[in-house]
Amino acid sequence: QVQLQESGPGLAKPSETLSLTCNVSRYSISSGYYWGWIRQPPGKGLEWIASIYHGGSTYYNPSLKSRVTISVDTSKNQLSLKLSSVTAADTAVYYCARSITIFGVLMPRAFDIWGQGTMVTVSS
Amino acid sequence: SVLTQSPGTLSVSPGEKASLSCRASQSVGSTYLAWYQQKPGQAPRLLIYGASSRATGIPDRFSGSGSGPDFTLTISRLEPEDFAVYYCQQYGSSPGTFGQGTKVEIK
Repeated sequence: QVQLQESGPGLAKPSETLSLTCNVSRYSISSGYYWGWIRQPPGKGLEWIASIYHGGSTYYNPSLKSRVTISVDTSKNQLSLKLSSVTAADTAVYYCARSITIFGVLMPRAFDIWGQGTMVTVSS
Repeated sequence: SVLTQSPGTLSVSPGEKASLSCRASQSVGSTYLAWYQQKPGQAPRLLIYGASSRATGIPDRFSGSGSGPDFTLTISRLEPEDFAVYYCQQYGSSPGTFGQGTKVEIK
């Protein structure tokens, strides 16, 4: 059973760059699928942030693209997210997840396996 | 594409049927519509993809139907563990938007 575990700072200051990591176990990131990040502000809905394929293909939410960098480290079997110039509006639970395929076609923005999420609060 | 879910809250008794609606503001192919369930403090769980295909391990009391712009998630007989928030999502075009959610609560 594939497992994903996010980690992050918990608290970030406004204007800083937030760095998050997702450790993937029991499945090699290099074996396929897109891997993504999704966030959820407290008491609110879900927002897709970005997705990446191990070969480097990336998709970004246009509303966040200028501040987001997604990457993979296949040697560590890790997924990472950097979000720059954070504000209080970036306070959320951040999830990493594995994308789905439909009849072998990769779907970068839909996800069937999720981590438990990591809460990030942006505050001075 | 903006996805609008209705109702915002649905009060249902255990054993009853629940029907949740998701309407897209722009064309969404049925291949690209998913439903998720989320319980408090937990990550979302994929229920339905491709508008009507159940994800692995999802009970057959959950079914999806419809085609753009109107989609429906039906829970045929609500079990106690089904009381949760449900989100639809279109993933065919950027930015892979989610609806605002429907909360299914115990009546």
